[in-house]
Parts: sequence; structure tokens; C-alpha cells
Amino acid sequence: AQKITQTQPGMFVQEKEAVTLDCTYDTSDQSYGLFWYKQPSSGEMIFLIYQGSYDEQNATEGRYSLNFQKARKSTNLVISASQLGDSAMYFCAMRGYTGTASKLTFGTGTRLQVTL
Amino acid sequence: NAGVTQTPKFRILKIGQSMTLQCTQDMNHNYMYWYRQDPGMGLKLIYYSVGAGITDKGEVPNGYNVSRSTTEDFPLRLELAAPSQTSVYFCATLLGDRGFFGANVLTFGAGSRLTVL
Repeated sequence: AQKITQTQPGMFVQEKEAVTLDCTYDTSDQSYGLFWYKQPSSGEMIFLIYQGSYDEQNATEGRYSLNFQKARKSTNLVISASQLGDSAMYFCAMRGYTGTASKLTFGTGTRLQVTL
Repeated sequence: NAGVTQTPKFRILKIGQSMTLQCTQDMNHNYMYWYRQDPGMGLKLIYYSVGAGITDKGEVPNGYNVSRSTTEDFPLRLELAAPSQTSVYFCATLLGDRGFFGANVLTFGAGSRLTVL
């Protein structure tokens, strides 16, 4: 079984500051993928960034980067230079293989509020 | 190229009514998924399909049924609606299991908000 834990229900950050959203996971799979999605108030799910379990370097995508610590089973999302438009729910998810197909298991999310 | 289309966007049901949430994709993706998102929570997998004619249960399948007669369509049926099924439902697709090399990313529909009263 796979489990994703996001322990921060809500976070505040000032505009232009950096913020780290925490995510830990548990799996018995040797290979897996880790994803972050953003869900703004409009409700759609927007893919942000991906980290493969065998990737040696931390993933980066523009202002988004991951602090991937495999031994600690954590993959924290760092958003640099926060913008008001970053205010949203952020979900960490893990993709593993169970049965016949790969599935994404989601955490409960962190609500980020960017303030002036 | 519409991607993943879900209908309806909003629906209110009375307890005991039945309905079908529609999901259609035009990307020729093999894998399709139904998730539900309860208020303030993450997404939980209801059912998934790896191709036409093949479906399987996810984490929370009770009270739902699915079918996959074509690659494009993956409807989710609620037979006897209950207040516990009040949620936002997301359909998602995946091109295929190409292993863990590269971000094989789920493409989500816009969601269907269902309220059962």
C-alpha cells in the first residue's frame, strides 16, 4: 500500500518570498514517481512537477523545485518568489504499480495563501 | 483537441436517485480513472480502466459502477445516491504505462460537482 502525508493544512507566505510545502510518502515499491499538482479555487488540477525515484538530481520547473530526500522518503515542494496567483491547494501524489495499472495516490493537500 | 470532457459540471440529486457522470477523451489514452474529492480533502480513486472492456476497483468503489465499451468513454454510474456521495468527481486519463521514465502525467477533466440531498 502507498501512503502520502502532507502535514501542513495551511501555509501563509508573503509575496516574493520562498515557501516550502512538505510531503512524505511510504511505499514498498522500488520504483515510483512523485508528482505535485496545484488546484486553484476554480477547481482544476494542474500538474506542476515530477520526480522519479531513480532521478539523481532534484527536479526543477521554473519557480518550482523539489527537495527530494529518498532515504527520508520526503519530497518537499519549494516555490520561489511567490506570486498572488500561487494561492491554491497543493497536492503531493505518488505513482506506483498495483495490480494491473499504475495509479496516483494523493495526499490531503496544503492550502497556500500568498499575502501582500 | 478537447482533452478530457466531463458532463455535467453540476448536479443535485435526491437520495435514492440514479445518475451517470460522463467522461470522454479524444487523446486516445489507454488508461482512464475516476477520482472523488471530498471537501478539503485529497483525491481518492473510485475505479479505473486500462483499456476498452477492462475495469477494476480503486480505493472507494462502493456505490458506483463503471463501464468501458470504447477507448474514448468511461462513464461512472451512481445507482442509489446517498449524501455520502456528495463530492467533486474527476475523470483523468493516462497515455499508457511507459514505466517510470519520464513524467507520465495524468490529464484531468474539469470536474463534476455532485450534491445529494
